[in-house]
Amino acid sequence: DQQVKQNSPSLSVQEGRISILNCDYTNSMFDYFLWYKKYPAEGPTFLISISSIKDKNEDGRFTVFLNKSAKHLSLHIVPSQPGDSAVYFCAASQGGSEKLVFGKGTKLTVNP
Amino acid sequence: ETGVTQSPTHLIKTRGQQVTLRCSSQSGHNTVSWYQQALGQGPQFIFQYYREEENGRGNFPPRFSGLQFPNYSSELNVNALELDDSALYLCASSEGGSSGNTIYFGEGSWLTVV
Repeated sequence: DQQVKQNSPSLSVQEGRISILNCDYTNSMFDYFLWYKKYPAEGPTFLISISSIKDKNEDGRFTVFLNKSAKHLSLHIVPSQPGDSAVYFCAASQGGSEKLVFGKGTKLTVNP
Repeated sequence: ETGVTQSPTHLIKTRGQQVTLRCSSQSGHNTVSWYQQALGQGPQFIFQYYREEENGRGNFPPRFSGLQFPNYSSELNVNALELDDSALYLCASSEGGSSGNTIYFGEGSWLTVV
């Protein structure tokens, strides 16, 4: 029973365009969401997070949108750069716990 | 560079053996969590330690055990290794105590069980 789902295993975009990575969750008790980026042979690197009291959080080229009614969040990267090519994981937690529940990841490829 | 360091980076063990993985958390962080990432999957929560006490456990059998030391470093021990234990083991640290803390991961220890 996957509580956090990333339904697209891969995504390919052109440099300079927008990348949109999607994530759905089933547990309505989740109240904190994070995105991590992972390069091969490295640990996940924190990118951006959002609390359930917000519907948008922006940090430079990265913006996360949260739609609580749809139990859906998305990560927008604008403009996309070749260095953004990595696996992106969506994660969620609830009630002050730091136990993260991860999706399976989406491999983003940004073509020059 | 997250300040979370893990050792060893790679190791190979035989089925039935025992393994100990180590983690030094980022300075000032009193909470350490361990995750298992199998190939093609997202990380799965194993357990968490807060100020030397286990503070939450995922769906892993008792042969997965851990320790946190007074300096907040941590160990993950796995007994009676099985082939399916082959995975990347990630340590994560945070300041702990409340929601919204950023959680930093180390680079992981790759375990292969043959």
